[in-house]
Amino acid sequence: ETGVTQTPRHLVMGMTNKKSLKCEQHLGHNAMYWYKQSAKKPLELMFVYSLEERVENNSVPSRFSPECPNSSHLFLHLHTLQPEDSALYLCASSQARQAQKINSPLHFGNGTRLTVT
Amino acid sequence: GDSVTQMEGPVTLSEEAFLTINCTYTATGYPSLFWYVQYPGEGLQLLLKATKADDKGSNKGFEATYRKETTSFHLEKGSVQVSDSAVYFCALTSNQFYFGTGTSLTVIP
Repeated sequence: ETGVTQTPRHLVMGMTNKKSLKCEQHLGHNAMYWYKQSAKKPLELMFVYSLEERVENNSVPSRFSPECPNSSHLFLHLHTLQPEDSALYLCASSQARQAQKINSPLHFGNGTRLTVT
Repeated sequence: GDSVTQMEGPVTLSEEAFLTINCTYTATGYPSLFWYVQYPGEGLQLLLKATKADDKGSNKGFEATYRKETTSFHLEKGSVQVSDSAVYFCALTSNQFYFGTGTSLTVIP
């Protein structure tokens, strides 16, 4: 496989469930990202792992927990979500030249459509 | 802080019409500029990019020129096709990526 692969494509979960989203990139990049895409809102950057350093958006609730075991894999662990967390969650990767100096394009996966009931 | 503003949609055009989607930006320093496209059910795909002033990015008949004097990066295509129906996002990167809110384009036969 090439590019950025996300699984599952669709996920329906209750508010008390625990689930994880998975992302894998085959591009040799050294930075990976989680974005949230909601209708009629700008893309929201949730988490960045760049050159093995984690950068967070402090407005992201603690019920979202990222994990990046290596430069090719990224997870988003979900716990006790709310209905307003329903959205498309996009993973992306890029080649960062130095920490937090990101000029190369992002490559996105096709996303996981999450519905919280 | 840095930001991107793009025209709101939705935009509906007939096939072979001329397309312009406006994008302006605010940034300190010298950002790189991008246009991404998102087809239904898919993630964002890079359409074109420009890394310095007066650069023109082009791909699949789409073009955009990095205008520092007007802080703009408008997307244009001379003759749209039904297959161009998608959501288009303008973006910049300085120390992180900033995206516009997206412009939905529908091309009718």
